[in-house]
Amino acid sequence: QVQLVESGGGVAQPGRSLRLSCAASGITFSSYGMHWVRQAPGKGLEWVAVILYDGSNKYADSVKGRFTISRDNSKNTLYLQMNSLRGEDTAVYYCAKGTYGGSDSRFDGWGHGTLVTVSS
Amino acid sequence: DIQMTQSPSSLSASVGDRVTITCRASQGIRSSLAWYQQKPGKAPKLLVYITSRLESGVPARFSGSGSGTDFTLTISSLQPEDFATYFCQQYYTTPLTFGGGTKVEIK
Repeated sequence: QVQLVESGGGVAQPGRSLRLSCAASGITFSSYGMHWVRQAPGKGLEWVAVILYDGSNKYADSVKGRFTISRDNSKNTLYLQMNSLRGEDTAVYYCAKGTYGGSDSRFDGWGHGTLVTVSS
Repeated sequence: DIQMTQSPSSLSASVGDRVTITCRASQGIRSSLAWYQQKPGKAPKLLVYITSRLESGVPARFSGSGSGTDFTLTISSLQPEDFATYFCQQYYTTPLTFGGGTKVEIK
């Protein structure tokens, strides 16, 4: 049974940085594409980024150049480095597991989410 | 980017009702369509994948259909635990995109 636990959310001023982490257990972490999906308060779901099993990555245009997704397979941990934060980045950020090592995937495991609030 | 248009955005229904939610893709996505259920304060839960396959443990009252650009999620007999928000998602190509959601409320 996959378990994903996010941490690192909080309040940040516009222009500042935060790093989110997602600790995975119950899976062979290195075999799967891992994603970040966010949800602004009262809004729908927005895919943010994916890191494939081979370490390559893809991003939504809204975060490209500001966010960096990475993984440490030795620690079964996924990361999201968020720089140059904007108010529109305010959201609950979910770590989500893909069903294979590639990018074009549904999500069959989700963390509980961590709230990021960008405000001065 | 592939746009996913979901309708209705909300609906009111009674226990036992048959409920249908639709999702339209702006271009063909073959069968690469999933449905999720989300309850307040919780993460989404995968219900249906490859358009019509039920995730393990999902009750048989849920079903999915469609292909190409038009897809449907049907709940054959709405139960109290089904009141939630439902999202479709295409995984044909990145950027992965979701429908805007359908909130199913109690009538």
